[in-house]
Amino acid sequence: QQPVQSPQAVILREGEDAVINCSSSKALYSVHWYRQKHGEAPVFLMILLKGGEQKGHEKISASFNEKKQQSSLYLTASQLSYSGTYFCGRQGGSNYKLTFGKGTLLTVNP
Amino acid sequence: DTGVSQDPRHKITKRGQNVTFRCDPISEHNRLYWYRQTLGQGPEFLTYFQNEAQLEKSRLLSDRFSAERPKGSFSTLEIQRTEQGDSAMYLCASSLATSASTDTQYFGPGTRLTVL
Repeated sequence: QQPVQSPQAVILREGEDAVINCSSSKALYSVHWYRQKHGEAPVFLMILLKGGEQKGHEKISASFNEKKQQSSLYLTASQLSYSGTYFCGRQGGSNYKLTFGKGTLLTVNP
Repeated sequence: DTGVSQDPRHKITKRGQNVTFRCDPISEHNRLYWYRQTLGQGPEFLTYFQNEAQLEKSRLLSDRFSAERPKGSFSTLEIQRTEQGDSAMYLCASSLATSASTDTQYFGPGTRLTVL
């Protein structure tokens, strides 16, 4: 069962902040975040392991709430280059495959 | 490090034809994954290899689909008797398995298949 991402789409002006949520009804062992631009490969952003870990990547950070089976991606002071579709991928236990959500389309305008 | 490469990048074929895609993983990565992505969806898992062993196949992978990784390096994905529903982006990813229980998967640019 795929994770549910919200919102489906968000439009920002450069410099604004955004939060993308990823919820799973199945147990989360780890959450993987990717960004994909149109016609390109998904690009790895970060992995979060269960334990409420928070990680950062430039001005992008994420948290993982194991109790709520939820991860959130925080984009701070967004840049034009942040535009794209963000996917969260759920990994369950020793099963290495990723089950992805439907994605959140982020558009950053000047 | 040249990243994951896939060939061809685009393939147009007629219904009923066979097609084969190739994936070259990042050097020394021992895990290789195939995913399929359709418009507006996230990648869907098809199958994965650890070295040359195919360890899991999705129920999405019908009998018409077969994947190999003969020497634990590059991999091929073949679709026989293609159908219009096979039209999608086929993505390959690779990772390096360590003692950690998770790994980072790096994706290739994909092969876009169009079945007419």
